[in-house]
Amino acid sequence: GQSLEQPSEVTAVEGAIVQINCTYQTSGFYGLSWYQQHDGGAPTFLSYNALDGLEETGRFSSFLSRSDSYGYLLLQELQMKDSASYFCAVREDDYKLSFGAGTTVTVRA
Amino acid sequence: DAGVTQSPTHLIKTRGQQVTLRCSPKSGHDTVSWYQQALGQGPQFIFQYYEEEERQRGNFPDRFSGHQFPNYSSELNVNALLLGDSALYLCASSLGGGASDTQYFGPGTRLTVL
Repeated sequence: GQSLEQPSEVTAVEGAIVQINCTYQTSGFYGLSWYQQHDGGAPTFLSYNALDGLEETGRFSSFLSRSDSYGYLLLQELQMKDSASYFCAVREDDYKLSFGAGTTVTVRA
Repeated sequence: DAGVTQSPTHLIKTRGQQVTLRCSPKSGHDTVSWYQQALGQGPQFIFQYYEEEERQRGNFPDRFSGHQFPNYSSELNVNALLLGDSALYLCASSLGGGASDTQYFGPGTRLTVL
């Protein structure tokens, strides 16, 4: 079977930095994606790591270590609009994405 | 450029009934994947359609079936509804459905089974 572990909740103040960790155990691995979902909305794509290392996109960065089956999403200069659920997702094969249970990020003023 | 659209937005059914949910992919996309998202959980893969064929299926019973039309739009059908089928049903589209593709999600259909 497959499992993805990520913290259930994180709270931080505006301007702070938050790191959301994701460890995975899956039958196959092509890459690790991160999605953001605001309450009741559509998940939106943030980043994809197929190779080890850090990918930076504006205030968000994502890291992958394939040997450790581990990745993280780094949110910098937190803003109120970043309050949302964040999901890590493993692409196990050509077609299937397997998602974690999600991390709820709450940003306080 | 229209994104992924889904209909209806909300739906209430009773146990034993059947339901059909619809999805139109993002313009230019040819692959549609369906996911079920229970409250407080991540999306769970149901199946993916490409070239009007079911290409892969997740761990869902045969009560869940689908269809893709020549214009790439898709339907998800669920028969003999159970209370546990209450969830947000998400459709995601992509091009080719390959390993490195980005999936674009629709806003979902909220299904409540009473």
